[in-house]
Amino acid sequence: SQKIEQNSEALNIQEGKTATLTCNYTNYSPAYLQWYRQDPGRGPVFLLLIRENEKEKRKERLKVTFDTTLKQSLFHITASQPADSATYLCALYGSSNTGKLIFGQGTTLQVKP
Amino acid sequence: DTEVTQTPKHLVMGMTNKKSLKCEQHMGHRAMYWYKQKAKKPPELMFVYSYEKLSINESVPSRFSPECPNSSLLNLHLHALQPEDSALYLCASSQDGTSNQPQHFGDGTRLSIL
Repeated sequence: SQKIEQNSEALNIQEGKTATLTCNYTNYSPAYLQWYRQDPGRGPVFLLLIRENEKEKRKERLKVTFDTTLKQSLFHITASQPADSATYLCALYGSSNTGKLIFGQGTTLQVKP
Repeated sequence: DTEVTQTPKHLVMGMTNKKSLKCEQHMGHRAMYWYKQKAKKPPELMFVYSYEKLSINESVPSRFSPECPNSSLLNLHLHALQPEDSALYLCASSQDGTSNQPQHFGDGTRLSIL
């Protein structure tokens, strides 16, 4: 069956360090992979989309990699700040249905001052 | 502030009530979505509308009835809900629903069934 797996445990890091979050998937062949941020009581906010032929994408302090051989995406936040504390979700569209976005469980990041 | 507006923000209803959740976007998007999210879980897709036509129904019970009156509006009509239906209901939109597009979410309606 199709699965998207993220680190289920919370990630605690010190301010200023780089946070690295992992997203692994099985039985998908996605052309695109997306990352979202969700704060408590709010809807998810889109951060980055990466295509299968892109190895890496950057936006300010964010960097995403996409390895279709390993079936893995890594999400990095450099120079992390307490304001980066949130749950981060990776998401793929189901292979046979356009419009059906499927989310991983999410990883909660806590950045301590 | 999000570009997708959901009302009400909170709703408490009894199991015999009928209520509706509303969602509005003015980004010109032609795909709109309803998701259900339980605590500490990811959003789960319920319905997809593409160009105002229902294109995906994820085997949602008939006590949830979606409606798309026009390209900017999406409603979710609720009737005879169960306590397990208590959750955050999120609406989202995207340009036309294809897989190279991000989705824009509202902040949801927090629904409690007594």
